[in-house]
Amino acid sequence: DTEVTQTPKHLVMGMTNKKSLKCEQHMGHRAMYWYKQKAKKPPELMFVYSYEKLSINESVPSRFSPECPNSSLLNLHLHALQPEDSALYLCASGGKNIQYFGAGTRLSVL
Amino acid sequence: AQSVTQLGSHVSVSEGALVLLRCNYSSSVPPYLFWYVQYPNQGLQLLLKYTTGATLVKGINGFEAEFKKSETSFHLTKPSAHMSDAAEYFCAVSEGETSGSRLTFGEGTQLTVNP
Repeated sequence: DTEVTQTPKHLVMGMTNKKSLKCEQHMGHRAMYWYKQKAKKPPELMFVYSYEKLSINESVPSRFSPECPNSSLLNLHLHALQPEDSALYLCASGGKNIQYFGAGTRLSVL
Repeated sequence: AQSVTQLGSHVSVSEGALVLLRCNYSSSVPPYLFWYVQYPNQGLQLLLKYTTGATLVKGINGFEAEFKKSETSFHLTKPSAHMSDAAEYFCAVSEGETSGSRLTFGEGTQLTVNP
């Protein structure tokens, strides 16, 4: 099973809201990733967790806050977002020589 | 630093025709190479990957790719296009084999299949 499950599939939020994106995998992978993808563009790496520790932060604004509660779960906490943060947010799970992606959360910030 | 160049942001073929999507890479270490496909409003699905060994790699849905070190290329092909192949295709290179390695993506190629 190579499934990475992301919830919710769609999210609309105002600029003052707080919301969270969730990601789950059961492949035993020890790395998990958050990407942001704008229309007609490749995914942009935001964060990488390796063995439940944050290993890469691509200078993402602090209004995005990642959390890795355990090796199967990854959250992305959102607060005070801007309209330009509207995008598809993808989670990926990584093993040796591979990354599997979830279906994404389509986020709209009003 | 690694980079990926996909030649042609849009490729259009007729149903039943050969599909050829081009990918060239730059890497200072032995590359690990990937092709992903993305259908509208979906995530990325792995088509195939090259790590070591046989340079001709077969993937899902009839796609294959050949790693050519001398040309630093990893072009994706399919002998006969199907309407369902219409999607965005991304070539990617990994900086290493360990879990947690970074993927560098090309800009993508939109494949259109005409009836």
